[in-house]
Amino acid sequence: NAGVMQNPRHLVRRRGQEARLRCSPMKGHSHVYWYRQLPEEGLKFMVYLQKENIIDESGMPKERFSAEFPKEGPSILRIQQVVRGDSAAYFCASSPLTDTDTQYFGPGTRLTVL
Amino acid sequence: KNEVEQSPQNLTAQEGEFITINCSYSVGISALHWLQQHPGGGIVSLFMLSSGKKKHGRLIATINIQEKHSSLHITASHPRDSAVYICAVRLRGGNQFYFGTGTSLTVIP
Repeated sequence: NAGVMQNPRHLVRRRGQEARLRCSPMKGHSHVYWYRQLPEEGLKFMVYLQKENIIDESGMPKERFSAEFPKEGPSILRIQQVVRGDSAAYFCASSPLTDTDTQYFGPGTRLTVL
Repeated sequence: KNEVEQSPQNLTAQEGEFITINCSYSVGISALHWLQQHPGGGIVSLFMLSSGKKKHGRLIATINIQEKHSSLHITASHPRDSAVYICAVRLRGGNQFYFGTGTSLTVIP
């Protein structure tokens, strides 16, 4: 049973470009969480999704950031017009429907904005 | 004020020492996690607690719901235990998790 997969593991973008980060939850998990870890800071919640539904996006910046979890395929965190301050590690975690207190983390995507 | 406070921020120990990392939180929770993060690496969930105590190998985690406090203990510490240990809580009735800033542990041979 493969764990949570994230790709790419490392992503380099220039200011103004778009970044797309993908997260494939564990098999059978229908809940996905995205977190951001800025350099020298702790993890911060961004968004919580179920298939085809955003449950809680209270941690998402109001502009340039969006997330989706389609019926088929991975969850996508999209950052438009990236700025240097977006450089961070982005982690995804998944939970089964029956136990949303349990979280399994992916390896993270390290985004560097030049 | 952060909902989750950890102490100490940094900890250096000699191999074999008994280590304790503390976590205090200020809100009602449904679950508390202890996570391990190696430098440049991913995050591993060590324990999930809602009450009592759990043990896995040399690691022990306890939680006192009334005092809103949890501890992570490492017995017979080893250099491979060197990592950042993070406490995370899920608010009761809430969706998101709140994280402590982590305790950076270095175990010297």
